[in-house]
Amino acid sequence: GENVEQHPSTLSVQEGDSAVIKCTYSDSASNYFPWYKQELGKRPQLIIDIRSNVGEKKDQRIAVTLNKTAKHFSLHITETQPEDSAVYFCAASTGNQFYFGTGTSLTVIP
Amino acid sequence: SQTIHQWPATLVQPVGSPLSLECTVEGTSNPNLYWYRQAAGRGLQLLFYSVGIGQISSEVPQNLSASRPQDRQFILSSKKLLLSDSGFYLCAWTSSGTAPNFYGYTFGSGTRLTVV
Repeated sequence: GENVEQHPSTLSVQEGDSAVIKCTYSDSASNYFPWYKQELGKRPQLIIDIRSNVGEKKDQRIAVTLNKTAKHFSLHITETQPEDSAVYFCAASTGNQFYFGTGTSLTVIP
Repeated sequence: SQTIHQWPATLVQPVGSPLSLECTVEGTSNPNLYWYRQAAGRGLQLLFYSVGIGQISSEVPQNLSASRPQDRQFILSSKKLLLSDSGFYLCAWTSSGTAPNFYGYTFGSGTRLTVV
């Protein structure tokens, strides 16, 4: 089955700096890659996603890039703010199942 | 619009007691439904998923079971809880099928289960 690895497990940045979280996947058939943000004690929420026919997608301060050849995708957050502090999960999917990374705890230091 | 309801929000149960968590989805038909567990400070572990009524796939052997008695209802159960069953349980749904007809999960609000 699919194996998704996520790095780093923890990340601290100064407010205003950029944060990058990277994930790799093993199944070349995976074709959908969502990212989730989970605030403490709350449900994960979809923040951005990308499909395999696209190399990059942006939504305001967040962007995701996908390299199908290398089987890795990344989340980029620019101009970080304290409210960006949360756990972020990547995932890969071939259809009915989603395989999650182990999460990155992001702390934005004011 | 589609909504997902999960209850209860919190639950404290003694070891050996039964468990029943319920999840329902509104505003869609034939959704794919999922149960995840998240231990404190850990990632998301897929427990069960269902692509239709009565169709349950189990990802890991455990003390839990799942049922889908109706199209938009997914139930997580246990006959006898263990201490290790404590965690944050999340129900999720997505539309059936494959890209471009599906998109990322929508999670329920979660149930925090503490087994004492």
